[in-house]
Amino acid sequence: AQSVTQPDIHITVSEGASLELRCNYSYGATPYLFWYVQSPGQGLQLLLKYFSGDTLVQGIKGFEAEFKRSQSSFNLRKPSVHWSDAAEYFCAVGASPYDKVIFGPGTSLSVIP
Amino acid sequence: DTGVSQDPRHKITKRGQNVTFRCDPISEHNRLYWYRQTLGQGPEFLTYFQNEAQLEKSRLLSDRFSAERPKGSFSTLEIQRTEQGDSAMYLCASIPSSGGASWETQYFGPGTRLLVL
Repeated sequence: AQSVTQPDIHITVSEGASLELRCNYSYGATPYLFWYVQSPGQGLQLLLKYFSGDTLVQGIKGFEAEFKRSQSSFNLRKPSVHWSDAAEYFCAVGASPYDKVIFGPGTSLSVIP
Repeated sequence: DTGVSQDPRHKITKRGQNVTFRCDPISEHNRLYWYRQTLGQGPEFLTYFQNEAQLEKSRLLSDRFSAERPKGSFSTLEIQRTEQGDSAMYLCASIPSSGGASWETQYFGPGTRLLVL
C-alpha cells in the first residue's frame, strides 16, 4: 500500500539557516511525489513535484527537493529560511498527477528571528 | 477563474444535525476530489468524481456521508447525523482529467472547517 512518512513532527530553525525536511515513501511503482505547504488559515499550495527526469527538482519560494530511489526518499531543502516560511509542510505521493494523493502526517516548521 | 472555492468556510453544528458543504472547482476541471484533514494530520482521501460519476470512495466515507456532482460542475458533501469525530477540515481539489499535460496538479480549495459540538 502507498504510504508516506515524515519523521520530524516539528522543526525549529533560525532565520537565514538552511533547512531540510525529510520524507520517505512506500510505493510499488514509480511514484509521483509532491511537497505542499499549508500556512495557518490557508489552503494547500504546491511547492514542487517530481515524476521523472532530473532527480533534483526546483520549486517555488526557493525550495528544492531530491528524489533518491534507493532510499525511497524525497527530502525538501532550502538554503536560507525566511520567517515567512513558518508553516506546515506535507510530502505526498500519487500514482499520477490525476489520481488521489496520499499525504504524510506533516512537519511543522517554526522560524526563530 | 480564481481557483477552487468552498462554502461555507466555517461551520459549527450540534451533534446529530446534518450539514452540507459545497465545492466549486476550476472551470473545465473534470476530476474533483474530497479530502478530510484532522488536527495535526495530513489530508486523507475521501472520494472523487470524474465529471458527474463518483468513481472511488474511501473506507473513511461511512454511510452517513454522501457526495454528489450532479452536473459535473460543483459538488456537495453531506454529513448526516454528525458526530464529534466528524470535526475536521474538509478540502476539495480539482484537476483536468487524465490525458492532459503531465505537469498538471491538483488545485486545492481553502477548505471548510467543521466543528461538531
